[in-house]
Amino acid sequence: QVQLQQWGAGLLKPSETLSLTCAVDGGPFSGYYWTWIRQSPGKGLEWIGEINDSENTNYSPSLRSRVTISIDTSKNQFSLRLSSVTAADTAVYYCARGRSYYYGTTKVDSWGQGTLVTVSS
Amino acid sequence: DIQMTQSPPSLSASVGDKVTITCRASQHISNYLNWYQQKPGEAPKLLIFSASRVETGVPSRFSGTGSGTDFTFTISSLQPDDIATYYCQQSDNLPLTFGGGTKVEI
Repeated sequence: QVQLQQWGAGLLKPSETLSLTCAVDGGPFSGYYWTWIRQSPGKGLEWIGEINDSENTNYSPSLRSRVTISIDTSKNQFSLRLSSVTAADTAVYYCARGRSYYYGTTKVDSWGQGTLVTVSS
Repeated sequence: DIQMTQSPPSLSASVGDKVTITCRASQHISNYLNWYQQKPGEAPKLLIFSASRVETGVPSRFSGTGSGTDFTFTISSLQPDDIATYYCQQSDNLPLTFGGGTKVEI
């Protein structure tokens, strides 16, 4: 059974860059889009973006100018960077296994444990 | 973006009751609709995908129906462990979008 374990800094100051990494264990890494989703009290669940093992990325239009998702297939890891954070970026950030172009699925079926990121001066 | 509207925002029911949650998409999404359960302090858990397919290991009291723009999620007999917030999510178009959630209480 696939497991996702994520880590990264939980407290940032405004204008800093959020950086999180997610390691995937116990399942195939290829054939999926690896996804970042965040959850804040004010905006609910919000899809941030995704990447596959060919480094093809898709980003939320509202965050595209500040987001970079990267992947390291040698380590079965993928990462999120969000620049110029503000208090509005305070949320729990989740990594997840998303749709599969190989298996023909469109579900988000495995999630990391979540990381609370707080932006405060 | 496709807007997902869930109702009701919250509900209270008794153990053994049938619980129904609806989700409406702002445009046609075929059957690209998933349902998640989230308990406090936990990540969402996939229950139903492709509108009506039950994820492996999920109890049979959970079910989903619908196609196009209107979808329904049902718990046939509410159990104490089902206390959670439930979300619908469309996977027809990027960006993926979620409903606002339905908090289920006993």
